[in-house]
Amino acid sequence: GAGVSQSPSNKVTEKGKDVELRCDPISGHTALYWYRQRLGQGLEFLIYFQGNSAPDKSGLPSDRFSAERTGESVSTLTIQRTQQEDSAVYLCASSLYGVTYNEQFFGPGTRLTVL
Amino acid sequence: KQEVTQIPAALSVPEGENLVLNCSFTDSAIYNLQWFRQDPGKGLTSLLLIQSSQREQTSGRLNASLDKSSGRSTLYIAASQPGDSATYLCAVLNAGNNRKLIWGLGTSLAVNP
Repeated sequence: GAGVSQSPSNKVTEKGKDVELRCDPISGHTALYWYRQRLGQGLEFLIYFQGNSAPDKSGLPSDRFSAERTGESVSTLTIQRTQQEDSAVYLCASSLYGVTYNEQFFGPGTRLTVL
Repeated sequence: KQEVTQIPAALSVPEGENLVLNCSFTDSAIYNLQWFRQDPGKGLTSLLLIQSSQREQTSGRLNASLDKSSGRSTLYIAASQPGDSATYLCAVLNAGNNRKLIWGLGTSLAVNP
């Protein structure tokens, strides 16, 4: 079946604007993760959704960041009042929690550039 | 706090060489360890996943080993090809927290024809 998809693939925005990034996980995957990769740095965990449980938001860097997920499908990551330090590649992953040892499958990412 | 280190940061080899990429982690209480490949504009591809109870996994020309007690993993690539050029990332999933992968910074590999 189809893999994880993300949109847009690239987004250029002006400082102070809000942006919304979308992730479509693999069908049937109950867990969904967002990560951020800033230039020259390792990937950083942002947020995790698992079924109907409360999301793990412990990696969100500030209250300008929020994410939602509708059931076990699409997720959107919203960044309000973007800053230049938000420029990064935002990666989404999904997994079938409890099966195949929680292996995470990644989308191609959204490259966000804040001018 | 778990920290993951990858050595070397960059590697350039001629085609056909066998090579080893290294990953070390500070906390041995892990659930699993994954090796990924990252190609520009194409996201991450999972290469091998080793459970904490396993010693190694193999896929084609790739072999990954895990020594949990010493906090080390190696990715062995046999008979390297130009198409292997990419960044290779190591990530661990801590035991008791089946959510957050902790990542190394990667090894940038260039295989020259």
